[in-house]
Amino acid sequence: DAKTTQPNSMESNEEEPVHLPCNHSTISGTDYIHWYRQLPSQGPEYVIHGLTSNVNNRMASLAIAEDRKSSTLILHRATLRDAAVYYCILRDEGFGNEKLTFGTGTRLTIIP
Amino acid sequence: GAVVSQHPSWVICKSGTSVKIECRSLDFQATTMFWYRQFPKQSLMLMATSNEGSKATYEQGVEKDKFLINHASLTLSTLTVTSAHPEDSSFYICSACRLSSSYEQYFGPGTRLTVT
Repeated sequence: DAKTTQPNSMESNEEEPVHLPCNHSTISGTDYIHWYRQLPSQGPEYVIHGLTSNVNNRMASLAIAEDRKSSTLILHRATLRDAAVYYCILRDEGFGNEKLTFGTGTRLTIIP
Repeated sequence: GAVVSQHPSWVICKSGTSVKIECRSLDFQATTMFWYRQFPKQSLMLMATSNEGSKATYEQGVEKDKFLINHASLTLSTLTVTSAHPEDSSFYICSACRLSSSYEQYFGPGTRLTVT
């Protein structure tokens, strides 16, 4: 599996935007970029995913570099409930490749 | 929709006993379920892939005779930790993929196992 690199931790003020970076320089052409987050003492939850184009949903936006070697998860207005560990994961969308390989993620702290 | 439950949410057992953890997809069918283990302050580690009606596929280094997985139906997978030891104490999490859409995995809330 292609590897991703994320900062171990980040802090952000409440109600401000947060940009969480992810480097994936060895990404292959069929790898999708997935983001999951894990709140304390809970299972992870899906946030967003994309292939080449930027993506938006109700939770966040995903900005993907033109060369696809990096991406940024954007939380437009952080709340205290967004404090979690955010995982950037590459996944080949071929049939039978549903498994996810979690890295160390970024622990996001929101400052009130 | 797309809710995955786990039972129990926490369990304490004595060393040498076996513990069964259930993972259910409540409102969708899942041909594939995954089992993860997470130690404190660490990331999730995939243990095995559970396929309905067939044998589970275990990741390298995971003992299949110790961690028994049964995927009896499209909505239920179980993980049995046999002859548990204190080092098996961990947070066990399952996830499931919908039949109709495999891009998103739905995770259960996790089961905290403590072996004394």
